[in-house]
Amino acid sequence: AQSVTQLDSHVSVSEGTPVLLRCNYSSSYSPSLFWYVQHPNKGLQLLLKYTSAATLVKGINGFEAEFKKSETSFHLTKPSAHMSDAAEYFCVVSTYSGGGADGLTFGKGTHLIIQP
Amino acid sequence: DGGITQSPKYLFRKEGQNVTLSCEQNLNHDAMYWYRQDPGQGLRLIYYSQIVNDFQKGDIAEGYSVSREKKESFPLTVTSAQKNPTAFYLCASSIVVQHTDTQYFGPGTRLTVL
Repeated sequence: AQSVTQLDSHVSVSEGTPVLLRCNYSSSYSPSLFWYVQHPNKGLQLLLKYTSAATLVKGINGFEAEFKKSETSFHLTKPSAHMSDAAEYFCVVSTYSGGGADGLTFGKGTHLIIQP
Repeated sequence: DGGITQSPKYLFRKEGQNVTLSCEQNLNHDAMYWYRQDPGQGLRLIYYSQIVNDFQKGDIAEGYSVSREKKESFPLTVTSAQKNPTAFYLCASSIVVQHTDTQYFGPGTRLTVL
């Protein structure tokens, strides 16, 4: 079984300040972890993914995330927020159990608000 | 221009009607997926298909049906048995069904029951 918890349903930051979106996961197996972004009424776009290689993962648009096994966390960060970053962000865990694909388990999302 | 297309963008259904949502991909991916998204919720898996003529139920398959007759197409039918079908539906595909594999998403179809 697997689960993912996004610790904040809403995060508000000022333009130019750092962004931190928090994600904790639970998995019985070595997981793959993803961050996706969704703009209003659009599909999801992959920001970055972790698949057991380097624990610090760099993604698109200046985002990065660090996999911390001891803390079961995969928090998303960006040094300086831009107005175009305003969107919904989903943390996702995926585990192949061996008995069939589990698909992706999504967090409930964090709504990122950027103040001018 | 590779990608996933979903149609229609908006769909309205009367009570008791079946409706079919289209999903097409030209990425040559073997695996395809259907998700449902409700406000304030993450995505929940309805069905997925690893290969042509094969599909598996996800977490919330009741009231839905799918087919996979062609590699590039994975239509979803929302039947009258689905009690609360109003939602945003997202189709995705990946090279194979593997936990390291990235899923690529279509733009979605918003279904509203009148």
